[in-house]
Amino acid sequence: NAGVTQTPKFRVLKTGQSMTLLCAQDMNHEYMYWYRQDPGMGLRLIHYSVGEGTTAKGEVPDGYNVSRLKKQNFLLGLESAAPSQTSVYFCASSTPPGAGETQYFGPGTRLLVL
Amino acid sequence: TQLLEQSPQFLSIQEGENLTVYCNSSSVFSSLQWYRQEPGEGPVLLVTVVTGGEVKKLKRLTFQFGDARKDSSLHITAAQPGDTGLYLCAGGGYGNKLVFGAGTILRVKS
Repeated sequence: NAGVTQTPKFRVLKTGQSMTLLCAQDMNHEYMYWYRQDPGMGLRLIHYSVGEGTTAKGEVPDGYNVSRLKKQNFLLGLESAAPSQTSVYFCASSTPPGAGETQYFGPGTRLLVL
Repeated sequence: TQLLEQSPQFLSIQEGENLTVYCNSSSVFSSLQWYRQEPGEGPVLLVTVVTGGEVKKLKRLTFQFGDARKDSSLHITAAQPGDTGLYLCAGGGYGNKLVFGAGTILRVKS
């Protein structure tokens, strides 16, 4: 099992460009999440999904869109990238929340917006 | 808004020393998790505590959940260079989401 994989690993964008980050998991998890990680701010939730065809906003959703067309994939889109979106993006998946379910994280995508 | 504050933000110690990292909040959480993250990788779960006052041990690491379920601590005995990394606490119990602290960067020098 590969667990959670993310592509690409690293990307440089110019302001205004668009891109899609792909997350795939092979653990048959219902729940998937997108976080961004910035120095001194920990992990902040962008969007999440509780199942195929569903999405919901997290703490910092502005400037991002997501789609969950297949259970195993969760896509994060930036329609018009801004320098403030320079960050490391992590995808995670989990079983439905209970008394402390484990979130399994991918290796991250480093995005630089110039 | 639930917030988790971690302290210290950065810790640099010599191999063999002991250390404690704290995670505090004004909110009650149904569970508290600790993750460890190495450079260039995603966080990996170390432990989950769910009962107020609970203590769990993982080799040289001891985790404690406060009686009121608002705080937690991670104690490492005889730290080793392999313990170097970013330690994150995360609180659960608010729907489908975890609330993460900002993290503590630990560097253990040999």
